[in-house]
Amino acid sequence: ETGVTQTPRHLVMGMTNKKSLKCEQHLGHNAMYWYKQSAKKPLELMFVYNFKEQTENNSVPSRFSPECPNSSHLFLHLHTLQPEDSALYLCASSLRGGGRPTDTQYFGPGTRLTVL
Amino acid sequence: SQQGEEDPQALSIQEGENATMNCSYKTSINNLQWYRQNSGRGLVHLILIRSNEREKHSGRLRVTLDTSKKSSSLLITASRAADTASYFCATDAEETSGSRLTFGEGTQLTVNP
Repeated sequence: ETGVTQTPRHLVMGMTNKKSLKCEQHLGHNAMYWYKQSAKKPLELMFVYNFKEQTENNSVPSRFSPECPNSSHLFLHLHTLQPEDSALYLCASSLRGGGRPTDTQYFGPGTRLTVL
Repeated sequence: SQQGEEDPQALSIQEGENATMNCSYKTSINNLQWYRQNSGRGLVHLILIRSNEREKHSGRLRVTLDTSKKSSSLLITASRAADTASYFCATDAEETSGSRLTFGEGTQLTVNP
């Protein structure tokens, strides 16, 4: 256990559905991240939050909407997704938010998303 | 090619043998990190090596960094079947802002019992 939990672990949704992914970290960290991992591709950074403020949006389509109500919780709201959005979505956290150099990141187990 | 490329893409060895994986990158870095991922799970941090370090050890792991060649290697000694996983290097590039790691595509290691 890394101290980062994600729910649900598996999600199947239609293209017209709206769903949310949840991430919670119990490590007292200040930065949280969303990554997308597709088959045969490197891990793609989607969003970064430092002290609840979004500091990076890596050109992610608006059908993905992140929310960070506090430093311990991170959500990814999904709507009108496409089949190519099917992937493993990983949440991570790190102690320092926005500091240089980049800290060790602690990952959750991921949500396996399938879009039909 | 991308920042943080692992080589080989796949490696299959027998239990007890050593496994060596390499990572090359393109830009100057602050640090380089190695992560491990079991199938369908999250990544687990293994070791971080800073740009001013040349070698680091952690248990059966040995990481080297050659900033002149922009490359790093991860050596796992006396491998075990439980070491079977994908291994990723991640770079913290000097040129990027914020808390950003760039991951490679990974090396899939299979340790046969």
